[in-house]
Amino acid sequence: QKEVEQNSGPLSVPEGAIASLNCTYSDRGSQSFFWYRQYSGKSPELIMSIYSNGDKEDGRFTAQLNKASQYVSLLIRDSQPSDSATYLCAVNMYSGGSNYKLTFGKGTLLTVNP
Amino acid sequence: DVKVTQSSRYLVKRTGEKVFLECVQDMDHENMFWYRQDPGLGLRLIYFSYDVKMKEKGDIPEGYSVSREKKERFSLILESASTNQTSMYLCASRDDATQYFGPGTRLLVL
Repeated sequence: QKEVEQNSGPLSVPEGAIASLNCTYSDRGSQSFFWYRQYSGKSPELIMSIYSNGDKEDGRFTAQLNKASQYVSLLIRDSQPSDSATYLCAVNMYSGGSNYKLTFGKGTLLTVNP
Repeated sequence: DVKVTQSSRYLVKRTGEKVFLECVQDMDHENMFWYRQDPGLGLRLIYFSYDVKMKEKGDIPEGYSVSREKKERFSLILESASTNQTSMYLCASRDDATQYFGPGTRLLVL
């Protein structure tokens, strides 16, 4: 079974610190990877996508991908209380024919303390 | 901006009722998905569709069916609602690269 695993959390960091969220995946052929943020009671919203090995930066967010290790991470610099949410890792996995579908991890709850 | 809308934010139904959840997207996407989300279980795929009148089972299709008569609309049907179908239901629409979620429908089955 194709799986996506995230560190279970919850993760608590002080305001201004770096939050590090980790994810591993089982399908070695996966090519595209996503991080979604989900506030309590709301639907997931896409915050980062990454397709190539290495780092991708967008403001305070950095996604890191290592396909050889089947590992993707999200770093949040200068964490703010507004970053408190559940973060979902998603991996695009082959599902047969010419089709792909996203497989999600169960999420990591991040709390940023003022 | 991509917009995915769902017909209801909150819904209360009784056991045995037939329930329709509607999802509409305005970006001409071919791919649409229905998930349910439960504490501790994460997002689980119920059904998906890659084209009009086309549907495929996801990981937990039992007790559900879907309909896609038009490209922009994907409906989830609970033929006979049961209490274990109380959940948050999320519709999503996807282009080649990115998947967008609707606001969700929180369904309570009494």
